[in-house]
Amino acid sequence: DGGITQSPKYLFRKEGQNVTLSCEQNLNHDAMYWYRQDPGQGLRLIYYSQIVNDFQKGDIAEGYSVSREKKESFPLTVTSAQKNPTAFYLCASTPRQGGWETQYFGPGTRLLVL
Amino acid sequence: AQSVSQHNHHVILSEAASLELGCNYSYGGTVNLFWYVQYPGQHLQLLLKYFSGDPLVKGIKGFEAEFIKSKFSFNLRKPSVQWSDTAEYFCAVGDSWGKFQFGAGTQVVVTP
Repeated sequence: DGGITQSPKYLFRKEGQNVTLSCEQNLNHDAMYWYRQDPGQGLRLIYYSQIVNDFQKGDIAEGYSVSREKKESFPLTVTSAQKNPTAFYLCASTPRQGGWETQYFGPGTRLLVL
Repeated sequence: AQSVSQHNHHVILSEAASLELGCNYSYGGTVNLFWYVQYPGQHLQLLLKYFSGDPLVKGIKGFEAEFIKSKFSFNLRKPSVQWSDTAEYFCAVGDSWGKFQFGAGTQVVVTP
């Protein structure tokens, strides 16, 4: 089955801790995206990557970091600098670069702060 | 900077009623427009999209949307909704560089 896998489904973070959310795709898609979803605010773009070893900041990149060492993987680290990390995080991919491409979404990870 | 505005945050309607969800965008260049839907417990998925040609586009499950360039709008419509259309609907814009922006979403509840 082709698709996007996000793990874990739920993640708990303690104050001052960095946590990493996993996103893997076996669709052979070029571009990958991370969004944060909060009630009433829709999806907000955190980071995106259109090719391996390259990524760009989205609208709310502060307190987050990413890497794109492999085409199929785009992990997101929520650092201790992110003061309000509790949210639902969605990973997406598109077959090729370009704003006309359809995005394919993963199931999401819910991050909670203890 | 581009922005996307969805007019309604919550819509409640009865089965067989018609649905129209408003979406306006602000962007100076060429845009690509999308409507995505998130059914309860499911992944976000594409309903329909527009990037050129006929401004009236048809999507899955009987949905359609009309791109009106002069109004910077891309409203979603369905003539007769079903209970299974209960979901959250998101309008989105993609620019030429592959960056996307989403609206705040509209929660639609269809009552039997």
